[in-house]
Amino acid sequence: SQQGEEDPQALSIQEGENATMNCSYKTSINNLQWYRQNSGRGLVHLILIRSNEREKHSGRLRVTLDTSKKSSSLLITASRAADTASYFCATVSGGGADGLTFGKGTHLIIQP
Amino acid sequence: DAGVIQSPRHEVTEMGQEVTLRCKPISGHDYLFWYRQTMMRGLELLIYFNNNVPIDDSGMPEDRFSAKMPNASFSTLKIQPSEPRDSAVYFCARSGPSSTDTQYFGPGTRLTVL
Repeated sequence: SQQGEEDPQALSIQEGENATMNCSYKTSINNLQWYRQNSGRGLVHLILIRSNEREKHSGRLRVTLDTSKKSSSLLITASRAADTASYFCATVSGGGADGLTFGKGTHLIIQP
Repeated sequence: DAGVIQSPRHEVTEMGQEVTLRCKPISGHDYLFWYRQTMMRGLELLIYFNNNVPIDDSGMPEDRFSAKMPNASFSTLKIQPSEPRDSAVYFCARSGPSSTDTQYFGPGTRLTVL
């Protein structure tokens, strides 16, 4: 079953602009992870944020987590054409169940 | 390089045939996960192993699916008999030492069942 739900499902912006994707989930979590998937490829891990963290940065990526609202956001600053991909949030349950539960993803298109 | 090799990368077979997907995590890990990705259902966890032992196979859709991990560097996912609705991309991923750690995915096997 789906845990994370990304919003929007698709996003198209101009190169150089910032892209923001949101993720909502339903149950308590141990951590939340963001992954990128280029067309026809595997998933690449971007950032892991734990339930006791509120914000994390990695290069041009910024992730926030609001456990009271059960939501997270991924911000990509100064977007590049190479950022074109699908982005997924995935949660690790706080109830002891292992494995990632993925949302359906946001398809991001960066137009040059 | 995520340290996970999957083979074959593409598989086309006919309904009723047996299909075996292979995964070789080439770096150290404690956990091995199998996922399936379809347009309709997205990414779903099928089964995972800890130290080669299957821990949770509740995501395996039917008895037609089975998975093994005979050693720390090799796992298989078998579908027998295959059906058109099994068409999907199958990924394996490694993590460790904790199951809550970052997962590193292989490139996937695209399975088409005609």
